Amino acid sequence: GQQLNQSPQSMFIQEGEDVSMNCTSSSIFNTWLWYKQDPGEGPVLLIALYKAGELTSNGRLTAQFGITRKDSFLNISASIPSDVGIYFCAGQPLYNQGGKLIFGQGTELSVKP
Amino acid sequence: DSGVTQTPKHLITATGQRVTLRCSPRSGDLSVYWYQQSLDQGLQFLIQYYNGEERAKGNILERFSAQQFPDLHSELNLSSLELGDSALYFCASSVGTSGTYNEQFFGPGTRLTVL
Repeated sequence: GQQLNQSPQSMFIQEGEDVSMNCTSSSIFNTWLWYKQDPGEGPVLLIALYKAGELTSNGRLTAQFGITRKDSFLNISASIPSDVGIYFCAGQPLYNQGGKLIFGQGTELSVKP
Repeated sequence: DSGVTQTPKHLITATGQRVTLRCSPRSGDLSVYWYQQSLDQGLQFLIQYYNGEERAKGNILERFSAQQFPDLHSELNLSSLELGDSALYFCASSVGTSGTYNEQFFGPGTRLTVL
């Protein structure tokens, strides 16, 4: 079935550093979403992207929908301790039945004060 | 708070048993989705209902079933439970099924433990 490859799997950074993570797919997606999940909680929607090439920001977070429609990246600038958590990309395949989302495996972010 | 509610928060049961998980979507959302999250499989789509009708199906086991009621709340029924069914089960809701209408908001989840 369809899969999303998300990298890196984990990151250990110093507070104040910038972070970048990305997702790639073997097939075309028409929507990319980025979520953050804290332990024991549900994923929280951070950014949604709908057009190839689209660049969208939400505070210190910036995400882009790749031109090929097969990839997306998320950048976090000037990281702070509360950025700790697992970040997931999710996409809606182009030829999709319903609103099903495919999720990446997640990037676990640790921030050292 | 996403506006999506799920009950119960935790569920501990034995193999072979049957359980029901409940979800209430955000006000105004017509679509409800069920996802399973386990350590080795990540977040996996199970099933979607839109305005009471099944709209999409993932790799949902035959032992699992779901429905969406006229008031739009949904229930996920898991039967003949096995140890491997232990996982977090999330419900998500959205207005529709595509584009901006498919921004899915997740509930807090139900942690199922099968002993």
